[in-house]
Amino acid sequence: TQLLEQSPQFLSIQEGENLTVYCNSSSVFSSLQWYRQEPGEGPVLLVTVVTGGEVKKLKRLTFQFGDARKDSSLHITAAQPGDTGLYLCAGQTGANNLFFGTGTRLTVIP
Amino acid sequence: DAGVIQSPRHEVTEMGQEVTLRCKPISGHNSLFWYRQTMMRGLELLIYFNNNVPIDDSGMPEDRFSAKMPNASFSTLKIQPSEPRDSAVYFCASSWNRNNSPLHFGNGTRLTVT
Repeated sequence: TQLLEQSPQFLSIQEGENLTVYCNSSSVFSSLQWYRQEPGEGPVLLVTVVTGGEVKKLKRLTFQFGDARKDSSLHITAAQPGDTGLYLCAGQTGANNLFFGTGTRLTVIP
Repeated sequence: DAGVIQSPRHEVTEMGQEVTLRCKPISGHNSLFWYRQTMMRGLELLIYFNNNVPIDDSGMPEDRFSAKMPNASFSTLKIQPSEPRDSAVYFCASSWNRNNSPLHFGNGTRLTVT
């Protein structure tokens, strides 16, 4: 089993602040996906990163894949209450071999 | 497309009863996954199918759990007999069977076994 650890586990910040969450593993992945899950719903894909060192931006969210393809980070600029949710990273080693991380539960206080 | 559809949304049952969860994947997707989510263990893969064939069921916790996919548009996850420790949110997801294909999740079934 591939272990993906996310940190912090819980994060509560004020609206307008910046934050970074991390996804770390000792395993190498062919790609890494980030999902956001809101209460009562299933996870929804935010982005997929494939190349070591790749950076992708989605509005105020910046995703980076580590050079060695073992870790990833998600940076949110000027967080808003709508960013509240559970953020999950998922590493892929082959078609349909997707391993989910432990999750970071973010709360943005208005 | 309506997305992945799961039913029921909530299920409350007594220990020892049989529970059947249902899933309709996105039309055209050829892979289907069953996950279980709890606060303690996070999101765990139970089983997945490619082209209606079970490929990996190593995540199925016990013989009490079984899953079927009789056709490309329907799958079931059955627990018999159910136990309180089975209480969790069960998600179904579907995707294309290829690298980097994202999973599309349903809204889950919240199961409570008393």
